Amino acid sequence: EIQLQESGPGLVKPSQSLSLTCSVTGYTITSGYDWSWIRKFPGNKMEWMGYISNSGSTNYNPSLKIRISITRDTSKNQFFLQLNSVTTEDTATYYCARCAALGAFDYWGQGVMVTVSS
Amino acid sequence: ETTVTQSPASLSMAVGEKVSISCKTSTDIDDDMNWYQQKSGEAPKLLISEGNTLRPGVPSRFSSSGYGTDFVFTINNVLLGDEGIYYCQQSDNVPLTFGAGTKLELK
Repeated sequence: EIQLQESGPGLVKPSQSLSLTCSVTGYTITSGYDWSWIRKFPGNKMEWMGYISNSGSTNYNPSLKIRISITRDTSKNQFFLQLNSVTTEDTATYYCARCAALGAFDYWGQGVMVTVSS
Repeated sequence: ETTVTQSPASLSMAVGEKVSISCKTSTDIDDDMNWYQQKSGEAPKLLISEGNTLRPGVPSRFSSSGYGTDFVFTINNVLLGDEGIYYCQQSDNVPLTFGAGTKLELK
């Protein structure tokens, strides 16, 4: 069974960096598919942030392009999100998800709530 | 960027009724529309993927239609367990974008 699990701090100070890990079990991230980060804001708006492909290339939402980085550790079957210079507007629940090539998100993690506050 | 306009924002239905949710896109996306259900405290669940394809294990009460810029998601004979927020998402182009969500409440 494919499972994804997010981990990382639940509280980040403004202007600092947000760093999250997605651990994948049941499927090797280099075997196929793209591996995305998505966030859900208070008020229910959902935003796709970007993905890292099975080959290691990345594609980011232009709204975040100067602040975001998605990387991976293939030995641990994990991929990572780094979002720089956060503000209170980045307070959200962050999800990692598997995505068919430019397609639907078929497996999701449970999500991790991150609050940006001093 | 393709904007996805979803309506209504909320619905209050009785058990057994038919639910219809609309999503309209600002560009032609063929049939590259996906539909999700999110129950309280859970991750979103993919119900229908591109080409109006029902995912394995999803009841046939759920369906969708549409092509181009106009899409409709339908739940026939809605049940108490269908409460939650429903989202559409286009997968035709990057950035991938979602509708604002429809909150479904059962009376």
